[in-house]
Amino acid sequence: RKEVEQDPGPFNVPEGATVAFNCTYSNSASQSFFWYRQDCRKEPKLLMSVYSSGNEDGRFTAQLNRASQYISLLIRDSKLSDSATYLCVGYGGSQGNLIFGKGTKLSVKP
Amino acid sequence: EPEVTQTPSHQVTQMGQEVILRCVPISNHLYFYWYRQILGQKVEFLVSFYNNEISEKSEIFDDQFSVERPDGSNFTLKIRSTKLEDSAMYFCASSEVRLTNEKLFFGSGTQLSVL
Repeated sequence: RKEVEQDPGPFNVPEGATVAFNCTYSNSASQSFFWYRQDCRKEPKLLMSVYSSGNEDGRFTAQLNRASQYISLLIRDSKLSDSATYLCVGYGGSQGNLIFGKGTKLSVKP
Repeated sequence: EPEVTQTPSHQVTQMGQEVILRCVPISNHLYFYWYRQILGQKVEFLVSFYNNEISEKSEIFDDQFSVERPDGSNFTLKIRSTKLEDSAMYFCASSEVRLTNEKLFFGSGTQLSVL
């Protein structure tokens, strides 16, 4: 069974802090990974795709370690608006679907 | 940015009743999906749909569920004989091509409450 596991948090950080989320996955056949952001009772929204070479988008950096089956998201200079639940997501492969983690809740305080 | 739209935003029904959740995917998208999220739980895949037929479905998507594209724009999820445990947020999504690294666009969801 393919699973994606995350620390549920909550992570409570002050504005301006750097925070890192980790995620592990159980299916080595998964080819693609993503970080989604979900605000309370809203739809998930794609934050960024995750590549083995690592990728950066502004204050956000994602890394994939296939050997350890481990994915990370780093948020620098966190803003109040970053408060949300961050979902680690793997592509289900032949099932043609996304496998979601339960999410890590981030709360950025003034 | 183009949007996936879902109606209604909230649906309350009695146990045993049938409900139809409606979605309008993005117009040039070819793949359509339904996901659900029980309160406090993970987002779970239900079904994917392409070329007027189901391409994949999860073990959740049993005979109680069906999907349909009745015209060129709508994509519906029908739940027959609803149970209390069907209460969840149901998200419709669409993508331009078969999902790999392609972005999946989610609608804002229909909150289904079964009483």
